[in-house]
Amino acid sequence: EVQLVQSGAEVKKPGESLKISCKGSGYSFTSYWIGWVRQMPGKGLEWMGIIYPGDSDTRYSPSFQGQVTISADKSISTAYLQWSSLKASDTAMYYCVRHRRDILTGSFDYWGQGTLVTVSS
Amino acid sequence: QSALTQPASVSGSPGQSITISCTGTSSDVGGYNYVSWYQQHPGKAPKLMIYDVSNRPSGVSNRFSGSKSGNTASLTISGLQAEDEADYYCSSYTSSSTLAVFGGGTKLTVL
Repeated sequence: EVQLVQSGAEVKKPGESLKISCKGSGYSFTSYWIGWVRQMPGKGLEWMGIIYPGDSDTRYSPSFQGQVTISADKSISTAYLQWSSLKASDTAMYYCVRHRRDILTGSFDYWGQGTLVTVSS
Repeated sequence: QSALTQPASVSGSPGQSITISCTGTSSDVGGYNYVSWYQQHPGKAPKLMIYDVSNRPSGVSNRFSGSKSGNTASLTISGLQAEDEADYYCSSYTSSSTLAVFGGGTKLTVL
């Protein structure tokens, strides 16, 4: 069974750094792109970026380029999303997602349970 | 403002059919057969319901179907059931530097 299990909720202050994780299991982690999707409170979905754990090829949405860093450690089948300096506007639910196929088509077939990040002074 | 345009809400009675539209441009919906639909129940992660315009993943009810005409894609749910009440999001591959664009979401109410 394919599973994406994310790290737990975080409460941080503005300016702090953060790294959240997503562990894949039940499939070949290095053979599928893993992405991140943001959902701000009461809002819709936004694609942030994606990484291919096999060779660490990483793509970012222009809206998130330079704001976050996506990485992966294939030895432990885990992808990461990190911030160097959080802002209150980063408060959101973050989902890791598995891309459905090797060719990028923008379709995500498995979703993690979500990690709620709250940034407040 | 979302890249793809969906109605904010739709409603229907049990047993009826409803259709949710998703309008984009020739750079996304109209240019590629890579439209997906996701269902999200409150407090839950989204679930893929349709991919590549009209394909259902294994386990998704055949009451859900997708189609596309020009720059507009549609999700049809037939035989509405109470459990279908949820938010629905469309997404499309895009030729811009953004891999995928989402619609703003449609809240489906089963009356």
